[in-house]
Amino acid sequence: EVQLVESGGGLVQPGGSLRLSCAASGFTFGSGWMTWVRQAPGKGLEWVANIIQDGSEKYYVDFVTGRFTISRDNAKNSLYLQMNSLRAEDTAVYYCARHSWHALDVWGQGTTVIVSS
Amino acid sequence: QSALTQPPSASGSPGQSVAISCTGTSSDVGGYNYVSWYQQHPGKAPKLMISEVSKRPSGVPDRFSGSKSGNTASLTVSGLQADDEADYYCSSYAGTNNLVFGGGTKLTVL
Repeated sequence: EVQLVESGGGLVQPGGSLRLSCAASGFTFGSGWMTWVRQAPGKGLEWVANIIQDGSEKYYVDFVTGRFTISRDNAKNSLYLQMNSLRAEDTAVYYCARHSWHALDVWGQGTTVIVSS
Repeated sequence: QSALTQPPSASGSPGQSVAISCTGTSSDVGGYNYVSWYQQHPGKAPKLMISEVSKRPSGVPDRFSGSKSGNTASLTVSGLQADDEADYYCSSYAGTNNLVFGGGTKLTVL
């Protein structure tokens, strides 16, 4: 079964850091792009970052550039999102997704990040 | 990286058809044939319903169809069923390996 499982979410203070993980199974993880998408409470979906197959190219939405870093370990079938300098507006459910021809065809269940003092 | 424009709500009776629009610019929707549509039920992860403007992934009913004209894409749901009631989001490739989403449309089956 093709599956993505996120972990690492939680409550963090403003200015703090958090590292999200996404474990992939059921497909050849290293052969495709991966993506992080977030959804603030009661709001729509928002693209956060993409990473290509070998991790050598990464792309970010403007408002996380310099604060968030996407990475992957193909040997561990895992995707990561390191989030620094977190702000209240980063509060959201974070989803990892498999990216195929600019569509997201497999999604995880999401992990919740709450930034609050 | 401005969000694509979707109507906040749409509705139809069981068996009817409903179309949801998604308007962007020549830098995203109009510039590429990489428009996707996602269905999201409350508390669930999104599900891909349409990719590359009009392609249906395996398992998606043919009641769901996609199209595009200029800077506006559309998702049409025919033969509405109760389980179609959900939020629907469009997305488009926006160049420089970026994606942009629409604000979402809440589809109500009356």
